[in-house]
Amino acid sequence: DVKVTQSSRYLVKRTGEKVFLECVQDMDHENMFWYRQDPGLGLRLIYFSYDVKMKEKGDIPEGYSVSREKKERFSLILESASTNQTSMYLCASSFRTPDNEQFFGPGTRLTVL
Amino acid sequence: KQEVTQIPAALSVPEGENLVLNCSFTDSAIYNLQWFRQDPGKGLTSLLLIQSSQREQTSGRLNASLDKSSGRSTLYIAASQPGDSATYLCAVTDHTDKLIFGTGTRLQVFP
Repeated sequence: DVKVTQSSRYLVKRTGEKVFLECVQDMDHENMFWYRQDPGLGLRLIYFSYDVKMKEKGDIPEGYSVSREKKERFSLILESASTNQTSMYLCASSFRTPDNEQFFGPGTRLTVL
Repeated sequence: KQEVTQIPAALSVPEGENLVLNCSFTDSAIYNLQWFRQDPGKGLTSLLLIQSSQREQTSGRLNASLDKSSGRSTLYIAASQPGDSATYLCAVTDHTDKLIFGTGTRLQVFP
């Protein structure tokens, strides 16, 4: 079974802190994605990566950065957390087209106070 | 710009009913369509993936169809059970491998 794991299920941080969210997949997928999910706004793509050291901006990259030093690991970084970044963060991975079924991790519920 | 819509937004049915969830998309140039299930506070579970060249996929009590030319997909759930209660999301991908999600259908199956 494909497994995508995220470092924390729940996280509480203070405004201005630097926050790291980690995602690891064990299926040798080339693609990895970070989304946030908010009520009424659905899932929105923050950043994605097609390969090691590669990154592409999604729809809402402002306030975030990413790192992909190894194929299996994709990190989302909040340089200076703000209250409007309180959200559910979901990581996903897939092979490239055409067999690009995406598999998701359990999510991290981040609260910024 | 691709837009994905799901109807209805919410559905409440008694156990045992067969039901249909609808998904429509505005741009037919898709590579595939994926149906997901999401339980409250949890991640997404992939249910079915339909490639653009396929018409339908089946898994157990679930059957998903795809009509690319009309921009529609349906998810059919047979003999619904309370354990099927969840939010169901459809999403399409294009050549960039990015998913564009629908708004979701919140399903409640009561005993």
